[in-house]
Amino acid sequence: NAGVTQTPKFQVLKTGQSMTLQCAQDMNHEYMSWYRQDPGMGLRLIHYSVGAGITDQGEVPNGYNVSRSTTEDFPLRLLSAAPSQTSVYFCASSRPPSMEQYFGPGTRLTVT
Amino acid sequence: AQKVTQAQTEISVVEKEDVTLDCVYETRDTTYYLFWYKQPPSGELVFLIRRNSFDEQNEISGRYSWNFQKSTSSFNFTITASQVVDSAVYFCALSEAGSNDYKLSFGAGTTVTVRA
Repeated sequence: NAGVTQTPKFQVLKTGQSMTLQCAQDMNHEYMSWYRQDPGMGLRLIHYSVGAGITDQGEVPNGYNVSRSTTEDFPLRLLSAAPSQTSVYFCASSRPPSMEQYFGPGTRLTVT
Repeated sequence: AQKVTQAQTEISVVEKEDVTLDCVYETRDTTYYLFWYKQPPSGELVFLIRRNSFDEQNEISGRYSWNFQKSTSSFNFTITASQVVDSAVYFCALSEAGSNDYKLSFGAGTTVTVRA
C-alpha cells in the first residue's frame, strides 16, 4: 500500500492564480481531511469528508474548495491564491473517523 | 479555548536520557480520543498512539510509554533511553466524539532535540 499520497510536494503560485492539490489513499478509508500547518498556529482543519459525495467545512475553509467523487481521491482547490495561503498542507485519512488519521507527506505552498 | 496544551516548547537532552512530554487536554465529551504524532525534520506526520477515553491502561511499546490519567486530563508520553533519531516535533491531539467533523485538535507541539 502506498498509504496517503499528495502531489505536488512543492508549489509556488502568484497571487490570484488557482490550483489543485491532489490527495489519494489506497486504504479504502471513509474519512479524509485537509489541514494546513502554520508556525505558531499548529494544524488547522480546512475541509473534511466522511465518504464519497459528502464534504463539509472545517475551521478555516475560506478560499478553498473540495470534492469527493471517489473513496480514494480528495483534491483541494485554491480558488484565487493569496499570500495568507502560504503554508504546508496535509491530507489525512482514517476508517472510521474516530480512528487514527494517517497523513500524507505534505505540500509546501508559497504564494507570492 | 485551547483544547490541547503542550506546555513544553522545546526539550534538549543528551542521548540515552529519558524524555517526558506533557499533554493536558480539555473536553466536555465523555467519549473522546487522544493521539500522539511525531514530525521529524523531514516533515511528515507519523502516528504513534491512539487512546480512547474509556481505556486508561497505560502502555509501553519498546522505548515509548504513555501515561493517560483522566483525573488530571493528562496524556503524557515518555521516550526512554533517547536516541538522536528521536529528534522531532511531537504533537498531542484530541478528537471529540460529539463533534461532527472528527477533527484533530492539535497542541502546539514540543520540539525534542537529542544530542549525541
